[in-house]
Amino acid sequence: DAGVTQSPTHLIKTRGQQVTLRCSPKSGHDTVSWYQQALGQGPQFIFQYYEEEERQRGNFPDRFSGHQFPNYSSELNVNALLLGDSALYLCASTQQGYEQYFGPGTRLTVT
Amino acid sequence: EDQVTQSPEALRLQEGESSSLNCSYTVSGLRGLFWYRQDPGKGPEFLFTLYSAGEEKEKERLKATLTKKESFLHITAPKPEDSATYLCATPETGGSQGNLIFGKGTKLSVKP
Repeated sequence: DAGVTQSPTHLIKTRGQQVTLRCSPKSGHDTVSWYQQALGQGPQFIFQYYEEEERQRGNFPDRFSGHQFPNYSSELNVNALLLGDSALYLCASTQQGYEQYFGPGTRLTVT
Repeated sequence: EDQVTQSPEALRLQEGESSSLNCSYTVSGLRGLFWYRQDPGKGPEFLFTLYSAGEEKEKERLKATLTKKESFLHITAPKPEDSATYLCATPETGGSQGNLIFGKGTKLSVKP
């Protein structure tokens, strides 16, 4: 049973560019959440997708957007990248009301 | 304001030296207290969920307990492979179950 998968593993971008990160949830899970984790900090909630709609959003600017596909996979898009967007981006999946399982993350470096 | 605070920030133990990690939380109506283990550069690995005061769960050398204001992760006779950052989290008040507030974590180092 495959767990949560994310791609790519690492990414280097330049300020002002745009980036798309991808996530496939654990088998049987229908809800995907995205988190940003800066070095030495706990993960911070970005948003959650369920039934292809953004269900809840954390305190992140509109530069952060997402999408969920009919097969429950999801994308995180970040526009106009800033140096401060450098972080580990984590995807977590769950079946409604149960524990979240995290993927390995995508390390984004903005130069 | 919802808050999750973990202490200590870092903990160094000798192999076999038992200790406890603390997670204090402030939310209106607890809907689960989650413990995760995170290795460097990797995603958090789910360990336990606790839902009510007095509840305890165990897995190998780890035992998690919950009171009305805090949770403890007890590590008995730790081994070097237990070295990792341990995170606790709980759903934000009024948020969905997937909107977790995390503490900053406790970085545990176990020396042989």
